[in-house]
Amino acid sequence: DAKTTQPPSMDCAEGRAANLPCNHSTISGNEYVYWYRQIHSQGPQYIIHGLKNNETNEMASLIITEDRKSSTLILPHATLRDTAVYYCIVRKGGGSNYKLTFGKGTLLTVNP
Amino acid sequence: SAVISQKPSRDICQRGTSLTIQCQVDSQVTMMFWYRQQPGQSLTLIATANQGSEATYESGFVIDKFPISRPNLTFSTLTVSNMSPEDSSIYLCSVQRDRGTNYGYTFGSGTRLTVV
Repeated sequence: DAKTTQPPSMDCAEGRAANLPCNHSTISGNEYVYWYRQIHSQGPQYIIHGLKNNETNEMASLIITEDRKSSTLILPHATLRDTAVYYCIVRKGGGSNYKLTFGKGTLLTVNP
Repeated sequence: SAVISQKPSRDICQRGTSLTIQCQVDSQVTMMFWYRQQPGQSLTLIATANQGSEATYESGFVIDKFPISRPNLTFSTLTVSNMSPEDSSIYLCSVQRDRGTNYGYTFGSGTRLTVV
């Protein structure tokens, strides 16, 4: 699976949009971009995933560049409860049981 | 999506002893994954458990230290054997979510292990 690069930490004001970047320059054509987050002392939580089109769900939006070498996770209105470590993961898709490989992630701190 | 129950949620154990962690899923799943998260670190995959066959271990993890059972499609156990303080970590199990519009993974809430 392709490696990812994320900033170690970011801050965001409550109510503002949080934009978390991820670089995955070695991504291959059959690999998806997944985002998970881990709130302190809990198991990771799935947020969103995409292949090449932008995606949106009730939690977040995922913007993938046209060359697919980078992506941005957007939390449109961050709350204090969104403070967590956010992991960008690239892995093969297709519904098979491919393992997830976690990097160090980005610690997002939402400030009041 | 699948709901995972993991037991115990935490434990404090003496060095040299073993602890068995249970992971129960509310639906049948093909594979279950066991992760370790050392203090202040990211998650590291220990092994993949497939029902009816031996688990597949990642580099750096061996069956003698982390034996895994997978007796059926809804249950698995991970044993941490002959524990030392270096085994103090959070251990998590994970399964693939229901097929549908995504193929994300669901994680248990973890077992926080402290070895003294």
